[in-house]
Amino acid sequence: ETGVTQTPRHLVMGMTNKKSLKCEQHLGHNAMYWYKQSAKKPLELMFVYSLEERVENNSVPSRFSPECPNSSHLFLHLHTLQPEDSALYLCASSHLTGGAGANVLTFGAGSRLTVL
Amino acid sequence: AQTVTQSQPEMSVQEAETVTLSCTYDTSENNYYLFWYKQPPSRQMILVIRQEAYKQQNATENRFSVNFQKAAKSFSLKISDSQLGDTAMYFCAFRETSGSRLTFGEGTQLTVNP
Repeated sequence: ETGVTQTPRHLVMGMTNKKSLKCEQHLGHNAMYWYKQSAKKPLELMFVYSLEERVENNSVPSRFSPECPNSSHLFLHLHTLQPEDSALYLCASSHLTGGAGANVLTFGAGSRLTVL
Repeated sequence: AQTVTQSQPEMSVQEAETVTLSCTYDTSENNYYLFWYKQPPSRQMILVIRQEAYKQQNATENRFSVNFQKAAKSFSLKISDSQLGDTAMYFCAFRETSGSRLTFGEGTQLTVNP
């Protein structure tokens, strides 16, 4: 496989469930990102991992817990979510070096999350 | 903080015609990068074109070109010879020279009609 792969593509969960979103990149990138995409709102950056170290946490509620075990994998653990957390969650990866060619994000197809 | 504004929530164009999508941004930085991303119904965001602020020449990629007006902080996307496959949501995005944050606009839904 090439590119950025996200699973599952669709997820429906209750507010008391615990689930995880998975992202995998096969591009040799050294940075990975989680974005939240809600209807009629700009994409919201949630987390950034560079070389498996979290470098940015954009005031995301603790019910979202990221994990980056290595440079190719990124998880978003979900627990006790709220209905307003329903959205498309996009994973992306990039090279974090200088120049415009660097940090050009390659996105996955997203995980559509519905919280009942 | 940087902001990116796309003032056209929806646009439509006839196949083979030309359409221009608008984007303005606000920053105090002198050097930065600008991007246009496309998100088709398949949901996967794809890079369309990018521009370095220190370059005066407008970027072009086949049928896609930009009109970069640094003083006006404007970065519009022109799509020539529109094709049905161009139907998608288009996002304008900004990044500082350093750092990892990419700031997106709200998007413009473009529909190409046969």
